[in-house]
Amino acid sequence: ELKVEQNPLFLSMQEGKNYTIYCNYSTTSDRLYWYRQDPGKSLESLFVLLSNGAVKQEGRLMASLDTKARLSTLHITAAVHDLSATYFCAVTTDSNYQLIWGAGTKLIIKP
Amino acid sequence: NAGVMQNPRHLVRRRGQEARLRCSPMKGHSHVYWYRQLPEEGLKFMVYLQKENIIDESGMPKERFSAEFPKEGPSILRIQQVVRGDSAAYFCASSPRAKVGGTEAFFGQGTRLTVV
Repeated sequence: ELKVEQNPLFLSMQEGKNYTIYCNYSTTSDRLYWYRQDPGKSLESLFVLLSNGAVKQEGRLMASLDTKARLSTLHITAAVHDLSATYFCAVTTDSNYQLIWGAGTKLIIKP
Repeated sequence: NAGVMQNPRHLVRRRGQEARLRCSPMKGHSHVYWYRQLPEEGLKFMVYLQKENIIDESGMPKERFSAEFPKEGPSILRIQQVVRGDSAAYFCASSPRAKVGGTEAFFGQGTRLTVV
């Protein structure tokens, strides 16, 4: 059974600091996604990572994928308050349409 | 081009009542997926539908829950005889093909069901 674990589940940090969110998954999966969710809102797709060593960056967020370690990271550089949200990682199953989700990391960035 | 539309946004039901959640996919999308999000948890897959067909309902509870996607109109997730444990956010996603995730799938804003 494919499982996804994120850590930390909660993160409070100061503006300007750097931090990393980790996403581990239990079995082979070749497609990993990062989503952002603001309170009471929908899910916004941030990144899709398809292959080992893939790295994608958008603004202060950078995501990477290590398929051998079954690990993805979401790195936040010089955090700003606007990045406060819950971040989810998700992977696909072999059937290629079910997404298996982590529990989410609630990120609070204090001014 | 409107996004995925879900309604209602908030729904309160008493135990034993029925809840009907609606999802209108994006224009041109014929694949619909329903997910449930319990408080402080990630989303859990419930069901995948194409027009007039249920493709995969492996994530749906066997009793009280049903889903449809008729030829005309929105997809409906129906929960009969709701219980407190059904309280959750229900998200619908749609895609033009049988893939969910990344830029190919779009999520609605969810329906937050509260059972009192």
